[in-house]
Amino acid sequence: DAGVIQSPRHEVTEMGQEVTLRCKPISGHNSLFWYRQTMMRGLELLIYFNNNVPIDDSGMPEDRFSAKMPNASFSTLKIQPSEPRDSAVYFCASSGTTLWVDTQYFGPGTRLTVL
Amino acid sequence: GESVGLHLPTLSVQEGDNSIINCAYSNSASDYFIWYKQESGKGPQFIIDIRSNMDKRQGQRVTVLLNKTVKHLSLQIAATQPGDSAVYFCAENTNQGGKLIFGQGTELSVKP
Repeated sequence: DAGVIQSPRHEVTEMGQEVTLRCKPISGHNSLFWYRQTMMRGLELLIYFNNNVPIDDSGMPEDRFSAKMPNASFSTLKIQPSEPRDSAVYFCASSGTTLWVDTQYFGPGTRLTVL
Repeated sequence: GESVGLHLPTLSVQEGDNSIINCAYSNSASDYFIWYKQESGKGPQFIIDIRSNMDKRQGQRVTVLLNKTVKHLSLQIAATQPGDSAVYFCAENTNQGGKLIFGQGTELSVKP
């Protein structure tokens, strides 16, 4: 069974450039979560969607960050313009049919380095 | 300047011994708890979960205990193996629309 798929696995870019991270959730799951993990702050929830609709984006650090979920099988997290402090591992997770009590399954992450 | 990272609690055990990893959760309204294992370079992997109407749940070599009175969760790993070396996170569902709140993690190191 395919788990959560993320691309790219590694991204190195220069400050000021636009970065787009991609996620394909597990088929049949209807909730999708974007997290950021750093040594300084641990694992932080950025935003999550239910049935393709953003439910809570209070974790998005600032306007440079945006996320979309155009359909049930695809989501993007975009950073424009990127800054060195955005360097982190970004995880996407999805969960099943019940928003409240379902386990979240994580993808392998995208390691972003902004120079 | 030099950045200071999170100082993860570390548990070091001998191969074959039992491990106990503890977690204090924050919200008395939380009704669902999960333990995740994260190996270096990988995403968190689900290990076991427990709902608030239970105080114990067992899996293969793992047991989760929940004490709602003191808001404490523990993960017990029997006969710890080198492959168990990882960072372990507890997470709680705070009844805020499916949002999970993660603990800071505990690093488990297994000595052969």
